[in-house]
Amino acid sequence: RKEVEQDPGPFNVPEGATVAFNCTYSNSASQSFFWYRQDCRKEPKLLMSVYSSGNEDGRFTAQLNRASQYISLLIRDSKLSDSATYLCVVNGWETGRRALTFGSGTRLQVQP
Amino acid sequence: DGGITQSPKYLFRKEGQNVTLSCEQNLNHDAMYWYRQDPGQGLRLIYYSQIVNDFQKGDIAEGYSVSREKKESFPLTVTSAQKNPTAFYLCASSPFREKPYNEQFFGPGTRLTVL
Repeated sequence: RKEVEQDPGPFNVPEGATVAFNCTYSNSASQSFFWYRQDCRKEPKLLMSVYSSGNEDGRFTAQLNRASQYISLLIRDSKLSDSATYLCVVNGWETGRRALTFGSGTRLQVQP
Repeated sequence: DGGITQSPKYLFRKEGQNVTLSCEQNLNHDAMYWYRQDPGQGLRLIYYSQIVNDFQKGDIAEGYSVSREKKESFPLTVTSAQKNPTAFYLCASSPFREKPYNEQFFGPGTRLTVL
């Protein structure tokens, strides 16, 4: 089983739609969770950290469910500029190393 | 401007040659990382360093080497022993202070193509 799993998509949605991505992780002792955004042929950029209580940043809401070991990202009122790949990231404690583990990403395409 | 720089942006290499990718940061971050990304795939960790003069292997260290002689610099050498070196190489750094698993910030990447 992969340490971090994501649905690769693509998710094709119209402008204005609400879209949700889920991500599951294998290590129950993981403590840090993030969502990154990666545009085509560019570096990943931090979108938001994910806290136990959940957090919101404008149109973006991140939730953490420790019992089920999944993280979600909700995007409301999708814009064309939201088209990108969204990477779920978890700290890699299971492997004993102090580094983050990246999911393969979920691709979002917002259409006019 | 504070940030992470990588050079060159594009690099072409002949088979059998070693090549060194540069990564510099002026964010005063303690930890630095090297990842490799292949088309349609996620990032895989090559090497990381949490402090000057110390570094650890990641998941795919074979065929690569690094050094961390200065806090701001973490160069990666792709040796001829690396079987499939063509990829997008990303360098990242993180503060690694109170929280050991801080978020990471990435440089713009180097695209390496072996001819």
